[in-house]
Amino acid sequence: VQLVQSGAEVKKSGASVRVSCKASGYTFTDFYIHWLRQAPGQGPEWMGWINPKSGGTKYTQKFQGRVAMTRDRFITTAYMELSRLGSDDTAIYYCAIQVGRNAFDIWGQGTLVTVSS
Amino acid sequence: DIEMTQSPSSLSASVGDRVTITCQASRDITNYLNWYQQKPGKAPKLLIYDASNLEAGVPSRFRGSGSGTDFIFTISSLQPEDIATYYCQQYDNLPITFGQGTRLGIK
Repeated sequence: VQLVQSGAEVKKSGASVRVSCKASGYTFTDFYIHWLRQAPGQGPEWMGWINPKSGGTKYTQKFQGRVAMTRDRFITTAYMELSRLGSDDTAIYYCAIQVGRNAFDIWGQGTLVTVSS
Repeated sequence: DIEMTQSPSSLSASVGDRVTITCQASRDITNYLNWYQQKPGKAPKLLIYDASNLEAGVPSRFRGSGSGTDFIFTISSLQPEDIATYYCQQYDNLPITFGQGTRLGIK
């Protein structure tokens, strides 16, 4: 079971970023894919999840209206797009799944997003 | 949102020492709590789930306990490879939230 994320991104304030998460080693539709981020020196922050089977999503209120989580079942890849970036969006973004328990037991390697003015 | 407060924020201990980290939830979360270890440049790694269950492959020197609002994470005999930051995380209520972390170093 593996999640492989896209590479680091550098964006200007006000721009959007899309991070991908390629899943392998399991049936893609079996587990929700969660997105989290971790700003420098901070604990992880949960952003929301996508149900790969239905495409349904749940976002934390903080990111409502600014985040979109999508998926492509045919290439077993999930995406997280964050718009209207600000400097406080500089963070490592992770995808993660919960395989068999209510905990994040499989993580992607992380994608560093740097927002500059 | 449920706030998770860890204590201490950092600590140093000697190899072989017993190390204890506490995590307090702002309201009752039953046993819906997990513990993670994170080393620099790596994603968090699950150590303990449902407050007290050891994840497969994790050494038995790691232990979790507690319920309700107060939880304890213990390393019975600190090893050099345990140097990392440790986080608690609740899943009783959305949004899922994490503690601010405890940075563990070697004396």
